[in-house]
Amino acid sequence: AQSVTQPDIHITVSEGASLELRCNYSYGATPYLFWYVQSPGQGLQLLLKYFSGDTLVQGIKGFEAEFKRSQSSFNLRKPSVHWSDAAEYFCAVGSYGGATNKLIFGTGTLLAVQP
Amino acid sequence: ETGVTQTPRHLVMGMTNKKSLKCEQHLGHNAMYWYKQSAKKPLELMFVYNFKEQTENNSVPSRFSPECPNSSHLFLHLHTLQPEDSALYLCASSHTLGNEQFFGPGTRLTVL
Repeated sequence: AQSVTQPDIHITVSEGASLELRCNYSYGATPYLFWYVQSPGQGLQLLLKYFSGDTLVQGIKGFEAEFKRSQSSFNLRKPSVHWSDAAEYFCAVGSYGGATNKLIFGTGTLLAVQP
Repeated sequence: ETGVTQTPRHLVMGMTNKKSLKCEQHLGHNAMYWYKQSAKKPLELMFVYNFKEQTENNSVPSRFSPECPNSSHLFLHLHTLQPEDSALYLCASSHTLGNEQFFGPGTRLTVL
């Protein structure tokens, strides 16, 4: 069965520091992988996605993620965190094909940014 | 309006009330979804519609009744809800062969 694990429930980093949020997935075929961000009281915004090709994916707001098949991981990174990055981050794996598209989400990582 | 919109943004209802949540997408997508987001739980997929046809009901109680009159609109009709149904209800849409889902801002529902 497909699943997504985000091992870190809560992370605190200092503004300007680098960030890495972990995501591990379980999926039988080549996965379609996503990172979403959710600010308080808001819906989810897509940061980046991986379908195929280059395993290092660039997204919005200076984020990037690297797909590592051997580790079943899709970690999200940012070299220098800004206070406005404080939010909850969700990793998701998608199934492709058939009549519908289905996303399985992780439980999220809440990011706090210290001044 | 662009993207995915949801109304109302906040809703408080008693357990005997009947209310409806509305979602509209302006992206030309063919698939629409309802999710439930509760505190400290993963997003729960509730319903999926593709070209107006329901393709997935994720064991949702019958007190939640979805309706999809066309590919741009999705409703969630609520009746005799329970306090544990209080949550953020998110609507999303995608192009059928895209997998990338676009989310609305959600409706914060409180059941008293």
